[in-house]
Amino acid sequence: EVQLVESGGGLVKPGGSLRLSCAASGFTFSSYSMNWVRQAPGKGLEWVSSISSSSNYIYYADSMKGRFTISRDNAKNSLYLQMNSLRAEDTAVYYCARLDGVWGYFDLWGRGTLVTVSS
Amino acid sequence: SYELTQPPSVSVSPGQTARITCSGDALPKQYAFWYQQKPGQAPVLMIYKDSERPSGIPERFSGSSSGTTVTLTISGVQAEDEADYYCQSADSSGTYRLFGGGTKLTVL
Repeated sequence: EVQLVESGGGLVKPGGSLRLSCAASGFTFSSYSMNWVRQAPGKGLEWVSSISSSSNYIYYADSMKGRFTISRDNAKNSLYLQMNSLRAEDTAVYYCARLDGVWGYFDLWGRGTLVTVSS
Repeated sequence: SYELTQPPSVSVSPGQTARITCSGDALPKQYAFWYQQKPGQAPVLMIYKDSERPSGIPERFSGSSSGTTVTLTISGVQAEDEADYYCQSADSSGTYRLFGGGTKLTVL
């Protein structure tokens, strides 16, 4: 089955760190650019970061630059997001999403993992 | 920074036509995509390349583009269409992805 499964979410104190993982299956993971998208409670979707298939190109939304690090391990079919210096406003469901290789839309989504930043 | 602007809410009665707009300066250069999201679920792609419909998406969903505005049209709205709808595109360089703020469609 083609799917993405996120893990690693949880409760963390402000200023803390967390590492999210996304396990891919059912498709050739190494052929696709992968992304993280988040959604704060009751709010809209926000693109977080992208990484190209070979990790050559990495991009972040401005509010995440310097605090978040995206990475991948193609041998393990896994995507990661290291989040440091977490703030209350980082509280959100974090989705792993596959980027279509031709037109630039997200064609496969995970179910998300909830990150709560609170003291 | 670049933004995509959507109306926060649209309300229609069943059987009517709903139109949801999305405006952005780079839309003449970059394709737009539309997603439907229901509570507790991941987004689902409804329209790609401004006006193309993925397989399995009902024909009542259509998309169009004119200048800096793209529009999602839902003809003959059904109760099951009540959801949040998001447009998505990229900046003019095609490097950074972004979403509109989302539009809550209410079926009266």
